[in-house]
Order: sequence, then C-alpha cells, then structure tokens
Amino acid sequence: GIQVEQSPPDLILQEGANSTLRCNFSDSVNNLQWFHQNPWGQLINLFYIPSGTKQNGRLSATTVATERYSLLYISSSQTTDSGVYFCAVVFGNEKLTFGTGTRLTIIP
Amino acid sequence: DTGVSQDPRHKITKRGQNVTFRCDPISEHNRLYWYRQTLGQGPEFLTYFQNEAQLEKSRLLSDRFSAERPKGSFSTLEIQRTEQGDSAMYLCASRFPDAFFGQGTRLTVV
Repeated sequence: GIQVEQSPPDLILQEGANSTLRCNFSDSVNNLQWFHQNPWGQLINLFYIPSGTKQNGRLSATTVATERYSLLYISSSQTTDSGVYFCAVVFGNEKLTFGTGTRLTIIP
Repeated sequence: DTGVSQDPRHKITKRGQNVTFRCDPISEHNRLYWYRQTLGQGPEFLTYFQNEAQLEKSRLLSDRFSAERPKGSFSTLEIQRTEQGDSAMYLCASRFPDAFFGQGTRLTVV
C-alpha cells in the first residue's frame, strides 16, 4: 500500500519561531489533507491541498504532487500550536491513509 | 452544529461486554470512515462506507467488530466480547472531498 512519511518526528521550538513540517508519499494521490490533533485528541482540519499553495493566517501549505511531497509552514509559533500534526492522503481506493505524524512542542 | 458528531465521548466497560458507538456525519457527505488510535500512534483505518455500502475493511477489523450505515446516514460500530486490547480512541470522519473528524469515543476496557 501507499507509504506516507512525515519529518521530523519531533520538533521543539521557542514561542515566536517558524517551522516547516514535511510529508512524503510514495504514490500519486487524489487528495491530501493536513490535520492538527489537539491535546484532547480531536483532529482539526487545517488544509485540504491536493496541489498548489494555500494560506490561512500564520499557517500555509504547499503540495507538489508531481514530486510527491507536501509542506506545512507555521510562522510565529504560539503555545497553542503544540500538538501532533498529521498529513493524510487519498489515492485509488479512496481510503484515507495517515502519515506518521510530527509532534510539535512550543516552549513559552 | 453541522460537524461530525460521535456518541458517547467516553465509555468504560468490563472485559467481555459488548459496546456500540454512533457517528453522525455531515449530512451532505457520502463517505464515512472509522479509525482507531492508540496512545502515541497515528489513526489506523478500520473501515469505510460510501453511502450505505461498506467498501473496505481493514485486517484490524476482526470478527468481533461490525459496522453499519443504514440508509447512508449515521453509522454504528459494535465491538462484541471486548478485550483489554480494544482500549483506544475510536474516530469517525465524513468526507466530500475533504475529511472532517468527530471528537472521538474513548473506550477503556477494564
């Protein structure tokens, strides 16, 4: 099946720093999403981005489908950005497959 | 509230009991997914529906697990003869085309 790898697995930053999270996938995909899992376990939908670039406030994402990767940028990090970030892809059989996750910790 | 709703939010049950979880998707979404997430891991796919048809089931979905989506609306996930290894967060999502998740049902088997 499709492989979805995220890097780095863990990231610790000071408040105010910028970060880039990466998602690599092994096959062509129909769509790609980024999620933030908050401390209570809920997956919050950040971006639906099968290709191109989108921005929402301090967050932006870019997917280069031909090269099979996506990037999530977080600028001016806040402590509320802490949590686990997942990318998830859909291909072929329509199953939503999650990546390995990046755990982000923002220190005040 | 037009989001995905799951019920109950928490469930504690004794080993060997049966449990049933409910998911109400976003009304215009025809795809519905169930996932299981254990501590420190990412969500693992269990099964998904397109309308009322169950199109794929994971090997994780043993014969003790059954899922239904009657009339293509809400869905239920039942676990029979629960085991301690079933303790996890059970997540439901609906999608078209982007997926939205409910708040999950946290199951503890004691």
